[in-house]
Amino acid sequence: EVQLLESGGGLIPPGGSLTLSCVGSGYGFGIYGMSWVRQAPGKGLEWVSSIRSSGDGPKYADSVQGRFTISRDNSKNTLFLEMNRLRVEDTAVYYCAKHWSSGPDFDYWGQGTLVAVSS
Amino acid sequence: DIQMTQSPSSLSASVGDRVTLTCRASQRIKRYLNWYQQRPGKAPKLLIYGVSNLQSGVPSRFSGSGSGTEFTLTISGLQPEDFATYYCQQSDSDPCSFGQGTKLEI
Repeated sequence: EVQLLESGGGLIPPGGSLTLSCVGSGYGFGIYGMSWVRQAPGKGLEWVSSIRSSGDGPKYADSVQGRFTISRDNSKNTLFLEMNRLRVEDTAVYYCAKHWSSGPDFDYWGQGTLVAVSS
Repeated sequence: DIQMTQSPSSLSASVGDRVTLTCRASQRIKRYLNWYQQRPGKAPKLLIYGVSNLQSGVPSRFSGSGSGTEFTLTISGLQPEDFATYYCQQSDSDPCSFGQGTKLEI
């Protein structure tokens, strides 16, 4: 059974930093690309960042470019999202999602971790 | 960037009804169009990929169609567990993008 488990969320003041993790199990983690998708309270889904299976070719939404860094450690089946210079508008549930194709088509999602940016 | 617009934003229906949700893209896309279901407090779940392909384990009452800039998700014979929010997503062009969602209510 494919499982994705996020961790690392919490309450952080504006300007702070946080790193999210997502551990994958039940499939060949290193074979598939991964993404982070977020959902602000009461709002829709917003793609944040993607990374290829090999770890290269990271892509970012304009709203996080230059502040967030996506990475992965295939030896530990783990995806990361390092978030710096956090803003109030970054407050959201952050989901990691597994790609099933070469692009950002998501067949499995984690349960999400809440990041709340507030003073 | 491609904008995805879903209609209606919300829809009231009854168990057993047949409903059609619409998703329009701001420019023509190929077949990289997916549909997700999200129940309250839960992660999204893939229903349809590539416009019309049913994800494994998804009931056959769900179907997708469309081409170009207009796509639809049809649910035939609504069940109580189908009342949720539905999102379309295009992955044809970077950055991928989601519609704002259609909330299906009883």
